[in-house]
Amino acid sequence: GAGVSQSPSNKVTEKGKDVELRCDPISGHTALYWYRQSLGQGLEFLIYFQGNSAPDKSGLPSDRFSAERTGGSVSTLTIQRTQQEDSAVYLCASSRQSGGLRYEQYFGPGTRLTVT
Amino acid sequence: QQQVKQSPQSLIVQKGGISIINCAYENTAFDYFPWYQQFPGKGPALLIAIRPDVSEKKEGRFTISFNKSAKQFSLHIMDSQPGDSATYFCAASSTIQGAQKLVFGQGTRLTINP
Repeated sequence: GAGVSQSPSNKVTEKGKDVELRCDPISGHTALYWYRQSLGQGLEFLIYFQGNSAPDKSGLPSDRFSAERTGGSVSTLTIQRTQQEDSAVYLCASSRQSGGLRYEQYFGPGTRLTVT
Repeated sequence: QQQVKQSPQSLIVQKGGISIINCAYENTAFDYFPWYQQFPGKGPALLIAIRPDVSEKKEGRFTISFNKSAKQFSLHIMDSQPGDSATYFCAASSTIQGAQKLVFGQGTRLTINP
């Protein structure tokens, strides 16, 4: 079946511009996560959505970052007024609770963001 | 505060050898410990995972050893192959309402020499 998809695969933007990154989770997965992978920080959690519960935004590095999940499926991560330190690969993952496969997170290929 | 420490940062193993990567954690609330494999340009892929009620889990050539009292766990790759060359991440999480936030180690770049 289809895995987690993300778009765009690469994004180059100028400092100060806003960007939107999209994630399509695996169908039926109730939880969706955003992580950031950068050379200096490794893989770090940003935000997750679980069903209809309020999202956990505890990993967002600043108020320039926000995310939403529409209809319990597609999610968009928005970065406003981008800075060079925002350059990284942004990864989306999804998971479901189902017998022996509960809690496994499946990652998408990521969006490589470069801020010039 | 780094909650999961991974070592070594890089590892070179000869084909057919055993690759061993170690991780240590601090948060005793962690109850799920996965290992991910990542190839260049790809997202991490789940390799194998363990819960703290068992001390070892084996899937094919991959084995996780878990030591709850020492708060350590390791990945062993038996009969290592050139195709295993990738970056490996350990992670840990605590279940919250059916979902969890993964805390990752810093990664190990594994190279298997033919």
